[in-house]
Amino acid sequence: GAGVSQSPSNKVTEKGKDVELRCDPISGHTALYWYRQSLGQGLEFLIYFQGNSAPDKSGLPSDRFSAERTGGSVSTLTIQRTQQEDSAVYLCASSLVPGSGNTIYFGEGSWLTVV
Amino acid sequence: DAKTTQPTSMDCAEGRAANLPCNHSTISGNEYVYWYRQIHSQGPQYIIHGLKNNETNEMASLIITEDRKSSTLILPHATLRDTAVYYCIVRAGYNTDKLIFGTGTRLQVFP
Repeated sequence: GAGVSQSPSNKVTEKGKDVELRCDPISGHTALYWYRQSLGQGLEFLIYFQGNSAPDKSGLPSDRFSAERTGGSVSTLTIQRTQQEDSAVYLCASSLVPGSGNTIYFGEGSWLTVV
Repeated sequence: DAKTTQPTSMDCAEGRAANLPCNHSTISGNEYVYWYRQIHSQGPQYIIHGLKNNETNEMASLIITEDRKSSTLILPHATLRDTAVYYCIVRAGYNTDKLIFGTGTRLQVFP
């Protein structure tokens, strides 16, 4: 596709349930990033994938959060046992080879509401 | 990681140039300066980036001081649709390459 695609665009889930959020990066982009943004807050880095390297998980807020990237393309962010404080928009981004000034492009996000 | 400092908010009259400053005094030699903006809670939109030289594209101009410790994003003719939060970001290190967002500048363009 032309841009970073995320699904679902909106998700309402009950507290305690697991959710999966999907990201399709721009074709050919080797780097993939997840961020989240709570209402009225700034963007919080979660995790970063680059090629076959071990992902940078330093931003994941708890062990309820995990992400994987299969085949170097599509990524899934999983939140287990969701809590109300997990309500936020989850943004995915991708870029070409890092370290060379390449631009990072963002998707429109997946809005998660935990009730 | 280099940190950036931006004013919390700015106003600009429609049709006038909007000049958004950013301080990044601890930037290292191989770190780029990036500008993004976010309208409401849409995904951040890339505007422009630079290393040492001034840059211009169809959206904006980026002026980087000679010592690279500060920069200014210029929107030459601001419109109401340019109302957004503007983020100045220094790329977080040569290897990790992730963007670390600060609080940004909320630009309000008024008629």
